[in-house]
Amino acid sequence: QQQVKQSPQSLIVQKGGISIINCAYENTAFDYFPWYQQFPGKGPALLIAIRPDVSEKKEGRFTISFNKSAKQFSLHIMDSQPGDSATYFCAAYDYKLSFGAGTTVTVRA
Amino acid sequence: KAGVTQTPRYLIKTRGQQVTLSCSPISGHRSVSWYQQTPGQGLQFLFEYFSETQRNKGNFPGRFSGRQFSNSRSEMNVSTLELGDSALYLCASSLDLTANQPQHFGDGTRLSIL
Repeated sequence: QQQVKQSPQSLIVQKGGISIINCAYENTAFDYFPWYQQFPGKGPALLIAIRPDVSEKKEGRFTISFNKSAKQFSLHIMDSQPGDSATYFCAAYDYKLSFGAGTTVTVRA
Repeated sequence: KAGVTQTPRYLIKTRGQQVTLSCSPISGHRSVSWYQQTPGQGLQFLFEYFSETQRNKGNFPGRFSGRQFSNSRSEMNVSTLELGDSALYLCASSLDLTANQPQHFGDGTRLSIL
């Protein structure tokens, strides 16, 4: 079964808007939480990652928020651009990466 | 620095055949993992190799196997192909087995079974 639950399945945002993707997990053995971006015909590219002892991490327009007690984490894409249109996967690592089902983000110009 | 290289990019096979996929990790990376990506099941872990040894294995049948060479390059083999094996097979490399090491993916091999 899916060890990492991701929502929404898809979202549409206007250029300059904020995209928010949420993930939840149950396995407390997970100790590393990366986000990947995937374009059609390409492999997933590491975007940003966080460890559970940190509540927030920001890299450019991308921010991860992490709530250890709720076992939830989210990705915020600020000032969304058409080039951000892609599928985003959250993941969690114990001895392997367990991926969410993915969110297709469409940024309208 | 060159990224993870997977060959071939595309393969077409028929049921019952066997196939070998190749992965060259980022220079200096010693751990290689394989994942299967399908529209229905998403991204699923197949196995991980480090120092020529399989360290971890996912929930796939024994028809799926792999190996790693002394230069860290890896191959995966699928025998007796089934229609359901049609997928994008992704290879990821990381520096070592230490937790929190980022895994970097190649662009995959698209395998189609007729």
